[in-house]
Amino acid sequence: GAVVSQHPSRVICKSGTSVKIECRSLDFQATTMFWYRQFPKKSLMLMATSNEGSKATYEQGVEKDKFLINHASLTLSTLTVTSAHPEDSSFYICSATRETLHNEQFFGPGTRLTVL
Amino acid sequence: GENVEQHPSTLSVQEGDSAVIKCTYSDSASNYFPWYKQELGKGPQLIIDIRSNVGEKKDQRIAVTLNKTAKHFSLHITETQPEDSAVYFCAAPSGGYQKVTFGTGTKLQVIP
Repeated sequence: GAVVSQHPSRVICKSGTSVKIECRSLDFQATTMFWYRQFPKKSLMLMATSNEGSKATYEQGVEKDKFLINHASLTLSTLTVTSAHPEDSSFYICSATRETLHNEQFFGPGTRLTVL
Repeated sequence: GENVEQHPSTLSVQEGDSAVIKCTYSDSASNYFPWYKQELGKGPQLIIDIRSNVGEKKDQRIAVTLNKTAKHFSLHITETQPEDSAVYFCAAPSGGYQKVTFGTGTKLQVIP
């Protein structure tokens, strides 16, 4: 299988602090990782595409200085929410793909961020 | 970019009945269509996918059909069970390497 983990699964922080979320592909090397945000009862909204060793590509409307993405290796990508505010509270999900001809994405279990 | 529409938004069925969820897409060049199941508080899980070179794919109680001419694809779940209750998302390639666009989701409730 293709297993993707996320850490932490749940985090509560104070407004103004920064939070780092890790995404790891456990049993394969991920050529690309994606970061999504999901609001309650809504679909997944792509925030950025991350490739190992290069800068992330952000979707329109996503602040790159607010959501810092680092893809240090083929098995690890991190998302840092800087100077978090209550409106950043959400469910953040990462996914990873393997080098195939098609767009198979394998998702992590998600991280619930609550900013007080 | 790709536009994916999904219907219905909610679906309730009696245990043992079938459930059908439909999606349409806009980009005729799209060639890969996955379906994901998301349980409450968890990440989506790939349950089945179909490539554009086939019209139907089946895996036990789950099947997906694809109509390239009409640009729509459907998820069929037969003999539904309470554990099938979840939110289901369809997706289609959205330009850019390996990117996909997700449908709006269908909340399926299987009533025992």
